[in-house]
Amino acid sequence: KQEVTQIPAALSVPEGENLVLNCSFTDSAIYNLQWFRQDPGKGLTSLLLIQSSQREQTSGRLNASLDKSSGRSTLYIAASQPGDSATYLCAVRRSGGGYNKLIFGAGTRLAVHP
Amino acid sequence: NAGVTQTPKFQVLKTGQSMTLQCAQDMNHNSMYWYRQDPGMGLRLIYYSASEGTTDKGEVPNGYNVSRLNKREFSLRLESAAPSQTSVYFCASSEPGLANEQFFGPGTRLTVL
Repeated sequence: KQEVTQIPAALSVPEGENLVLNCSFTDSAIYNLQWFRQDPGKGLTSLLLIQSSQREQTSGRLNASLDKSSGRSTLYIAASQPGDSATYLCAVRRSGGGYNKLIFGAGTRLAVHP
Repeated sequence: NAGVTQTPKFQVLKTGQSMTLQCAQDMNHNSMYWYRQDPGMGLRLIYYSASEGTTDKGEVPNGYNVSRLNKREFSLRLESAAPSQTSVYFCASSEPGLANEQFFGPGTRLTVL
């Protein structure tokens, strides 16, 4: 059974710091991995999607990497800003049967203070 | 484009009451999903519909029913609400294909007393 773990559960950093959020999964047979942002009381916004054949994806100050063999993904945020404060969720899409389904981690709650 | 919309935004029910959560998408996606989010647990799939006319159970389907009314709309029904169903419910849609990226609605916050 696929399990997704995100560490740390919460993180507080000063503005301007570069930071790394971690996501690990137990079954390397994934189709892709998606990183989301969730603001308090709001829905999920997709940030980056990495296919299983890719190693990384970049969007602005965000860079996500994927190492399928070790079951890990990282989300790198450069030069953090208070507006980056949110919960970040990773989710894996399984390959094979049940390929439409995403398995989510519990998220990392990020606070960036001025 | 509104994307994925959900109604209502908030709801309070008493144990045993029934209600239907509505979801609609205007992206012409074939697949739609219902998730629940509980504190510290991430999102869990309740039911999904791979295409119009089909529905399948997810991880936590007990106590729920769904209807794929047409390609745009996918509703979730609680026949007899229980306090354990207090949660935030999210609807999502995607287009099967290479990425199958899922797009989420704003959520419905449900409290069962």
